[in-house]
Amino acid sequence: DGGITQSPKYLFRKEGQNVTLSCEQNLNHDAMYWYRQDPGQGLRLIYYSQIVNDFQKGDIAEGYSVSREKKESFPLTVTSAQKNPTAFYLCASSVGHGDNQPQHFGDGTRLSIL
Amino acid sequence: GDSVTQMEGPVTLSEEAFLTINCTYTATGYPSLFWYVQYPGEGLQLLLKATKADDKGSNKGFEATYRKETTSFHLEKGSVQVSDSAVYFCALSGGNYGGSQGNLIFGKGTKLSVKP
Repeated sequence: DGGITQSPKYLFRKEGQNVTLSCEQNLNHDAMYWYRQDPGQGLRLIYYSQIVNDFQKGDIAEGYSVSREKKESFPLTVTSAQKNPTAFYLCASSVGHGDNQPQHFGDGTRLSIL
Repeated sequence: GDSVTQMEGPVTLSEEAFLTINCTYTATGYPSLFWYVQYPGEGLQLLLKATKADDKGSNKGFEATYRKETTSFHLEKGSVQVSDSAVYFCALSGGNYGGSQGNLIFGKGTKLSVKP
């Protein structure tokens, strides 16, 4: 079955540590996205990528970094500069960016601070 | 810029009650509109969509009509079930030429609880 796989489901970060969240899709989609979800605040866009080897900052990119070396993979690194990383992180993909098509979501990674 | 406003929850209903979750939007151009559903501990699933004025999206007994004159896309279901308990998100995509710069703009979500 085609879909988006996020791993791990739960992740714990120590102070001063960088952690990387994995996102893989086998939908052959060009565009991929990372969102952060906090209670009562809906979804906020961290980074997005329209095509391989290209990505743009979203609304809350500070303290995060991404790469897009392969079409199917879009990992997110939460750096030590992100002072409040505890949240639910969602990865999504779409056929293309800006084509008014829906996005497909993974099941998320919940990140907590130790 | 583009924005979505949906009614605040939580909404608590008894099984078989009628559901309405209000959603209004502000957008330049001609956006597509979506409803997503999120069950506890999971990601978002597309529930239904509409791409132009007067379109009606429907799925699993849920319906929403794209009303350009009132800039609304209210979600309705005639008879809810306990299994419908979830958080519902209204969203718009304005395309590359809209105010959302090609990205999805989400409302803050409405939590629905259905009691047996």
